[in-house]
Amino acid sequence: DAGVIQSPRHEVTEMGQEVTLRCKPISGHDYLFWYRQTMMRGLELLIYFNNNVPIDDSGMPEDRFSAKMPNASFSTLKIQPSEPRDSAVYFCASSLRQGVDTQYFGPGTRLTVL
Amino acid sequence: SQKIEQNSEALNIQEGKTATLTCNYTNYSPAYLQWYRQDPGRGPVFLLLIRENEKEKRKERLKVTFDTTLKQSLFHITASQPADSATYLCALKLSGGYNKLIFGAGTRLAVHP
Repeated sequence: DAGVIQSPRHEVTEMGQEVTLRCKPISGHDYLFWYRQTMMRGLELLIYFNNNVPIDDSGMPEDRFSAKMPNASFSTLKIQPSEPRDSAVYFCASSLRQGVDTQYFGPGTRLTVL
Repeated sequence: SQKIEQNSEALNIQEGKTATLTCNYTNYSPAYLQWYRQDPGRGPVFLLLIRENEKEKRKERLKVTFDTTLKQSLFHITASQPADSATYLCALKLSGGYNKLIFGAGTRLAVHP
């Protein structure tokens, strides 16, 4: 298995632009998680899905952030409009099932908003 | 308030020694606790899981303890090697049906030859 795949690996954009981050979870995993990691705040959970349905989005910072999972093999995290404080590394992770939820992380997308 | 605390300062040790990393938490009731390793530019990688009713778990050179009275987990790497140098994150899985992990900020370990 190729593991969790994220794209792009690096994204540099200007303030106010729309940013879309993509994730392909491990095949057969029921759960998908989006995290943000910064030096100041560490690794924060933004939102997670179970069987393509958003379960908990309490970590989404504000309405500029949205996430979708149209099918079991694809998810997006969108920021519109982007701001410099959104600069961070965004990780996607997936896990097999509830109760034994070892999470498998992707390589991350490093986002820089100028 | 709820907190997970790991040593923010890097831990520097000599090759061959045992590294001990600490994870303390307050105002959480975890069902279990996990430890992950993160290398620069990469995502965290799962290492070990220990449940609330377990005192100790081992895997090769790794050992984790979990004291729910002290609200603390210790992570040990015996016979440490330079290749063990990385950031180590602890993560709590809350009891009560919450299916998410709460991560600590991590401790950076540097093993010197």
